[in-house]
Amino acid sequence: EPEVTQTPSHQVTQMGQEVILRCVPISNHLYFYWYRQILGQKVEFLVSFYNNEISEKSEIFDDQFSVERPDGSNFTLKIRSTKLEDSAMYFCAGQGVGQETQYFGPGTRLLVL
Amino acid sequence: TQLLEQSPQFLSIQEGENLTVYCNSSSVFSSLQWYRQEPGEGPVLLVTVVTGGEVKKLKRLTFQFGDARKDSSLHITAAQPGDTGLYLCAGPPITTSGTYKYIFGTGTRLKVLA
Repeated sequence: EPEVTQTPSHQVTQMGQEVILRCVPISNHLYFYWYRQILGQKVEFLVSFYNNEISEKSEIFDDQFSVERPDGSNFTLKIRSTKLEDSAMYFCAGQGVGQETQYFGPGTRLLVL
Repeated sequence: TQLLEQSPQFLSIQEGENLTVYCNSSSVFSSLQWYRQEPGEGPVLLVTVVTGGEVKKLKRLTFQFGDARKDSSLHITAAQPGDTGLYLCAGPPITTSGTYKYIFGTGTRLKVLA
């Protein structure tokens, strides 16, 4: 059964550094999402992406964040200058056209020191 | 603010007991999904319910979507230690903007004792 994959599984970085989180969605999905989950808190929406552009973003998704799908397969989340409060699990999700269900990847645990 | 409230937050029961987890909102949802999440991993889909009043069964798990599509429940019959985990409900609320983003519930952490 096809799965969403994410790399790296863990990333430790210094405050102020740039990080890129990568996701390979299920091949026939066209809607893509990033969510994050701070330790002990609920999963929260960051951004949705369709047809090579952002369709919606939350107030968390400020100018330090960007997303792109450069090659039609990978879907990336970039944080330009990480802050301590960016430490969280980041989940990628994908959704097929006309489908209700989003399928989640295993997540990247980001720790900003 | 659209919220999905889950209850109970924590549940510890003996093997063989039945339990029900609730997911409630004041908003109408296009669908509701139930996921199970293990520590350090992503949410794994259990079921999607779409139609108001819909009931779906997955072995010992029974899922129901409320008639008004504002609430859902998960019932586990004869719980087993392997059912231990964090159960999440999530879905896209119906809005004028036609968003597909998910709102996640607060989670129910279940522990089944042998």
